[in-house]
Amino acid sequence: SQTIHQWPATLVQPVGSPLSLECTVEGTSNPNLYWYRQAAGRGLQLLFYSVGIGQISSEVPQNLSASRPQDWQFILSSKKLLLSDSGFYLCAWSLDGADTQYFGPGTRLTVL
Amino acid sequence: KQEVTQIPAALSVPEGENLVLNCSFTDSAIYNLQWFRQDPGKGLTSLLLIQSSQREQTSGRLNASLDKSSGRSTLYIAASQPGDSATYLCAVMEYGNKLVFGAGTILRVKS
Repeated sequence: SQTIHQWPATLVQPVGSPLSLECTVEGTSNPNLYWYRQAAGRGLQLLFYSVGIGQISSEVPQNLSASRPQDWQFILSSKKLLLSDSGFYLCAWSLDGADTQYFGPGTRLTVL
Repeated sequence: KQEVTQIPAALSVPEGENLVLNCSFTDSAIYNLQWFRQDPGKGLTSLLLIQSSQREQTSGRLNASLDKSSGRSTLYIAASQPGDSATYLCAVMEYGNKLVFGAGTILRVKS
């Protein structure tokens, strides 16, 4: 069966510091991968999605970036965090672009 | 731009009651519609997926309907239980394989 992992589970970072969140998927090959952010009082917002290694599409202009160095690995990064980057970050995968998306447990990021 | 609205924003019901959650979307050119459940501080769990050509889907005590032409979907929960307490999210899949989410309905089922 397929499983999706995210770490860390929680993170508190000062403004201006770098960020690296990791997502891995086991038990499937060539999944579509997604990064979402859920800010307080707002719905989920798609940040990035990837259909394969090195193929990243950005949905929202911001100071975040994503990379997919391995088929099963999706990384969300920032060089300098802003207060507005605080939120709950969720990674998801799907077999096909239009298929059900399966979500990881999330990372709670607080930028102080 | 697609917008998804969920009504009500919050709902509190006694255990055993049947309930309906509503979702509306502005652009009917969708590939499918999905309902998710989110427990506090957790990720999302997929409940039901309705293809654009379908009218409804059922899973246990859950039934979701879709009226694409009017831009509406409902999630019906039968015989609610305290364990159903969670936030329920509706999302539409646009062509281009992008999910657009509503803000959710927070459900509390009182024992």
